[in-house]
Amino acid sequence: LAKTTQPISMDSYEGQEVNITCSHNNIATNDYITWYQQFPSQGPRFIIQGYKTKVTNEVASLFIPADRKSSTLSLPRVSLSDTAVYYCLVGRDGGSTLGRLYFGRGTQLTVWP
Amino acid sequence: EAGVAQSPRYKIIEKRQSVAFWCNPISGHATLYWYQQILGQGPKLLIQFQNNGVVDDSQLPKDRFSAERLKGVDSTLKIQPAKLEDSAVYLCASSLVLAGGPGDTQYFGPGTRLTVL
Repeated sequence: LAKTTQPISMDSYEGQEVNITCSHNNIATNDYITWYQQFPSQGPRFIIQGYKTKVTNEVASLFIPADRKSSTLSLPRVSLSDTAVYYCLVGRDGGSTLGRLYFGRGTQLTVWP
Repeated sequence: EAGVAQSPRYKIIEKRQSVAFWCNPISGHATLYWYQQILGQGPKLLIQFQNNGVVDDSQLPKDRFSAERLKGVDSTLKIQPAKLEDSAVYLCASSLVLAGGPGDTQYFGPGTRLTVL
């Protein structure tokens, strides 16, 4: 079961870069790593997905080392509106072809002015 | 592009009553998910449909919860009878492909907040 471990909370200030690391020691060969963001009273929103090395989009970067046992979500120059819960998900349940995703508790990121 | 629609947004019932939630996924999305999110926790998958067939309902409390997806589009989730511990936000999501693989972005609706008294 490819569950994940991530910090419960993090604090940052506006304009800083934030890195949230997720541990997934039991990741399977065909698992992808996906990050979601959730604001209060809203459903989660897809941020980024990757398989290995580095992925970048207009919102964030995702760094995945060669052993893929961890990943780091990088948010450049955060603003107050980035205050949210961030979830790291790994794609498969024990190698099943069914794509069950475990959200875990996520990381509460609080950005201060 | 219209997002995932859910109704109602809020519902308050007494224990042992019944309640139903409705979800309309993004047009063309074959996969539909229902999640339960208890305050302070991440979403927990209850059931997953591929078109109108169930592909995973292993975490659905089948003695009281039921869900259907007629014609492979809209879906309803029902709780009968409700218990106090069912108080949560019920999220519906849809995606083009099965979750976990490449390009599996799930799009979530705003959720229905259920309070059981």
